[in-house]
Amino acid sequence: DAGVTQSPTHLIKTRGQQVTLRCSPKSGHDTVSWYQQALGQGPQFIFQYYEEEERQRGNFPDRFSGHQFPNYSSELNVNALLLGDSALYLCASSFDPWTGTTDTQYFGPGTRLTVL
Amino acid sequence: ELKVEQNPLFLSMQEGKNYTIYCNYSTTSDRLYWYRQDPGKSLESLFVLLSNGAVKQEGRLMASLDTKARLSTLHITAAVHDLSATYFCAVVQGAQKLVFGQGTRLTINP
Repeated sequence: DAGVTQSPTHLIKTRGQQVTLRCSPKSGHDTVSWYQQALGQGPQFIFQYYEEEERQRGNFPDRFSGHQFPNYSSELNVNALLLGDSALYLCASSFDPWTGTTDTQYFGPGTRLTVL
Repeated sequence: ELKVEQNPLFLSMQEGKNYTIYCNYSTTSDRLYWYRQDPGKSLESLFVLLSNGAVKQEGRLMASLDTKARLSTLHITAAVHDLSATYFCAVVQGAQKLVFGQGTRLTINP
């Protein structure tokens, strides 16, 4: 079992650019959540995807958008990058508790985004 | 709005000692998680606590949950250097949104 995978590992962008981060969930998981972790802080929930739709969203602007594909993989897109978007972006996958057994969210290794 | 607070935020202790990290949360939730994070790494799941009075143990770590007090504890017994890391508690809000505490940075000195 490969676990949750994310790409790329590191990324450097400049202000105003756009970025796309990718996540493949753990085998058997159908729900993908994205979190932003600034240095020295706890992760902050961005949004969650289930059945290719955004199910929950945190307090992030519309510059942050996402997508889930039929194979349950997901993308996080951030437009008009700001310096404050520099962070570790974590993807977590889980099995939906409303249709099956409650499960833990398993986190991927993260993508370190630096905005200059 | 659900708030999760951990204390202490920084903890430096000697090997062999015992200590407890506290996690308070502001509204009712049916699940609480503890995660470990090493520097520059992702989050590793330690425990999931599902009901009042739940207690789980793995090695030198033991977690408990009191839903009435909205309090969880992570107890470290006879600490060893390998346990040095940042520990997060997280509470579920809604379907599966996790609200994290600020984290407790634990340093264990020989």
